Amino acid sequence: GAGVSQSPRYKVAKRGQDVALRCDPISGHVSLFWYQQALGQGPEFLTYFQNEAQLDKSGLPSDRFFAERPEGSVSTLKIQRTQQEDSAVYLCASSHDRADQPQHFGDGTRLSIL
Amino acid sequence: AQSVTQLGSHVSVSEGALVLLRCNYSSSVPPYLFWYVQYPNQGLQLLLKYTSAATLVKGINGFEAEFKKSETSFHLTKPSAHMSDAAEYFCAVSDEGYGGSQGNLIFGKGTKLSVKP
Repeated sequence: GAGVSQSPRYKVAKRGQDVALRCDPISGHVSLFWYQQALGQGPEFLTYFQNEAQLDKSGLPSDRFFAERPEGSVSTLKIQRTQQEDSAVYLCASSHDRADQPQHFGDGTRLSIL
Repeated sequence: AQSVTQLGSHVSVSEGALVLLRCNYSSSVPPYLFWYVQYPNQGLQLLLKYTSAATLVKGINGFEAEFKKSETSFHLTKPSAHMSDAAEYFCAVSDEGYGGSQGNLIFGKGTKLSVKP
């Protein structure tokens, strides 16, 4: 597609449930990033993939968060045993693998934990 | 560690007035700097980027920003505000990642711009 696509756009889950968020990056983009944006805040880095390799996961807040990109294209962010503090917008971004290239963002998934 | 400070969480201007959104960064190496705009319920759209070429950077929708190393600033301006400019604006910094590849972005907390008719 022309841009980064994320699904679902909205997800409501009960505390303790597992959720999976999908990101379909721009075709040909090597780099893929996940960010978490709390209400009224700027996005915060979660994890980074270069093709299928997860090179940085330093931003993942706990071991309940897991991300994968098995074929170097679509990525999934999984949150196990969700907690209320996981409520946020999760943004995915992709880019060419050069430091001066901008990241292109999807519209995000708004996750609400009840 | 890199950081970004955006002064003013909320800025209000009249339509046709100058827009000035402030951004100061902290980085130990020459950074890459970006301004993004976010409309409600949407992702971030790139306005402009600084990557060590010209210090005055022109972006989309009439916005521009000037990189001032001595002041560690990258303020965003637009000569004449339009109603459609009302949105949230984020300044971000990154440096090189692994082997010259992309580094992750560090964002400021954002500035919400309101435009009064």
